[in-house]
Amino acid sequence: EIVLTQSPGTLSLSPGERATLSCRASQSVTSFYLAWYQQKPGQAPRLLIYDASTRATGTPDRFSGSGSGTDFTLTVSRLEPEDFAVYYCQQYGSSSRTFGQGTKVEIK
Amino acid sequence: EVQLVESGGGLVQPGGSLRLFCAASGFTFSTAAMTWVRQAPGKGLEWVSSINYSGGTTYYADSVKGRFTISRDNSKNTLYLQMNSLRAEDTAVYYCAKDMVLNHYWYYFVDVWGKGTTVTVSS
Repeated sequence: EIVLTQSPGTLSLSPGERATLSCRASQSVTSFYLAWYQQKPGQAPRLLIYDASTRATGTPDRFSGSGSGTDFTLTVSRLEPEDFAVYYCQQYGSSSRTFGQGTKVEIK
Repeated sequence: EVQLVESGGGLVQPGGSLRLFCAASGFTFSTAAMTWVRQAPGKGLEWVSSINYSGGTTYYADSVKGRFTISRDNSKNTLYLQMNSLRAEDTAVYYCAKDMVLNHYWYYFVDVWGKGTTVTVSS
């Protein structure tokens, strides 16, 4: 099973700042098969990015994903008030998909 | 509009059983691969089980293998999760979800989520 470790656990930033979230895998992720989700309190998660860097339908272009192998990054270029949430990465290189433990982006 | 509506959650005693339902609409359910993901209170997301479009292929997390059964009825556009031998650690919000399928290829990630149904296992 591939273990995903997200860092930092919490990111305290102000609106307008840049957010950089990390997701590290315990072994290489097959074919860039890495997704990012956003979850706000009391809501279901929402798909943001798949294939490491492809934005899902409706994802604003201030969100970008990058990385390969074992190191992946989600970047929010300029934080909007609605971007403060918890973000999860997930690998889907096999049928036993796994999630990271999440990074909370909170208002400083 | 694509919609997934879960039901069937509730309070059950340890060792008991519960069946979750997910009513799908707004897309061709019979060609969709489906998944259950759960989230314990204050915790992260955990994949539970997945099923292909026909029901002929199923996958389970080790934590539920042998206790949970995923199934579907394409004539009713409904996904099920039969949960037996429930434990306190199964307490969570259970999300019904649709996996991405592109050009008949099943990608093991979710592109549409339901709002979830809460399962509480407690005496």
